[in-house]
Amino acid sequence: DGGITQSPKYLFRKEGQNVTLSCEQNLNHDAMYWYRQDPGQGLRLIYYSQIVNDFQKGDIAEGYSVSREKKESFPLTVTSAQKNPTAFYLCASSPDRGPGISQPQHFGDGTRLSIL
Amino acid sequence: GQSLEQPSEVTAVEGAIVQINCTYQTSGFYGLSWYQQHDGGAPTFLSYNALDGLEETGRFSSFLSRSDSYGYLLLQELQMKDSASYFCAVRSSASKIIFGSGTRLSIRP
Repeated sequence: DGGITQSPKYLFRKEGQNVTLSCEQNLNHDAMYWYRQDPGQGLRLIYYSQIVNDFQKGDIAEGYSVSREKKESFPLTVTSAQKNPTAFYLCASSPDRGPGISQPQHFGDGTRLSIL
Repeated sequence: GQSLEQPSEVTAVEGAIVQINCTYQTSGFYGLSWYQQHDGGAPTFLSYNALDGLEETGRFSSFLSRSDSYGYLLLQELQMKDSASYFCAVRSSASKIIFGSGTRLSIRP
């Protein structure tokens, strides 16, 4: 069964520590995304990648970093520079079928990050 | 700036019809999508409109008017399992998607 796997499901970060959230997809999708969701809020885009070895900042990239060394993987690092990292992090992917054509995003089950 | 506006909460009765509106202001527009998210879960895709008009998928329909920068999601024959948050999302460039803040739908028996 194809899908997106995020790990871990829950993660705790100490002050001054960097943590990395994993996202793997076997849907053969070109585009991958990271979103942050705060309680009762919508999804805010952190980073996105349309192709291997290339990625772009979203609306709230400060304090985060990503890599896209393989098509299947798009890990997100929450650095110590991110002062308020407690949130629900969602990874998504979509096929690149060109403008005007439905490109539904498929989401992983998310990672809940909390500060110790 | 870029923004999507949708009501924060809507309440409806089981078996009824409800409409969730979305207005958008974005630098580009490729299409409008709708997603459903149950508490604690991941969003799931419901529908997509790239052109003006109505798209129907079972009990759910979605409408788009590009000239008005407006769309809506219509849910018919409401069931208790439809209680969830619903997000509109605009594809503003080739791969960038902007989400609204979500509408929490509560259904009463």
